Amino acid sequence: EAQVTQNPRYLITVTGKKLTVTCSQNMNHEYMSWYRQDPGLGLRQIYYSMNVEVTDKGDVPEGYKVSRKEKRNFPLILESPSPNQTSLYFCASSSTGFSYNEQFFGPGTRLTVL
Amino acid sequence: KQEVTQIPAALSVPEGENLVLNCSFTDSAIYNLQWFRQDPGKGLTSLLLIQSSQREQTSGRLNASLDKSSGRSTLYIAASQPGDSATYLCAVSPNAGKSTFGDGTTLTVKP
Repeated sequence: EAQVTQNPRYLITVTGKKLTVTCSQNMNHEYMSWYRQDPGLGLRQIYYSMNVEVTDKGDVPEGYKVSRKEKRNFPLILESPSPNQTSLYFCASSSTGFSYNEQFFGPGTRLTVL
Repeated sequence: KQEVTQIPAALSVPEGENLVLNCSFTDSAIYNLQWFRQDPGKGLTSLLLIQSSQREQTSGRLNASLDKSSGRSTLYIAASQPGDSATYLCAVSPNAGKSTFGDGTTLTVKP
């Protein structure tokens, strides 16, 4: 089944404790993105990647890191999480194929930083 | 900076009614526009993707139109059903990879 998977789905952590949220897609997509969704602020793009080793900042990159060492994986790293990073996070992927840039989303990761 | 606005923020209709959701954007230099559906606490499901060279796309009871020059897109839902109740989001991409989302329209279809 074609899908985008994220792990963990739920995470409660404390301020300053480094964490990684993994994202993987099995559709051989070139593009991958991370978004956060907050009430009243909608979905905002954090980072995106056009292919292996090629990443760029979205609208709200501060406090986050990403890497794209393999085509299928695009982990989101919070080096020193803070309470304002409490949010619902989504990973998405899209291709350069027929449905150019049609984005497919993962199920989301609900992060709480205490 | 691209800004995307969706009006209305919420909409409640009786079952069977045809309805239109609106999405407007400030920068007409877009690559494509995509409509999504989001159920409470869930991820986003792609509904329709319109490339910048297209005027509309259709899937079942859904029809999306795009007018780049006026910075507007509409999502038309025919013969609405209670199962259509969800939040509908539009996303505008200036290039492959980058996207800006609207805040969504929350639709309630009453039986």
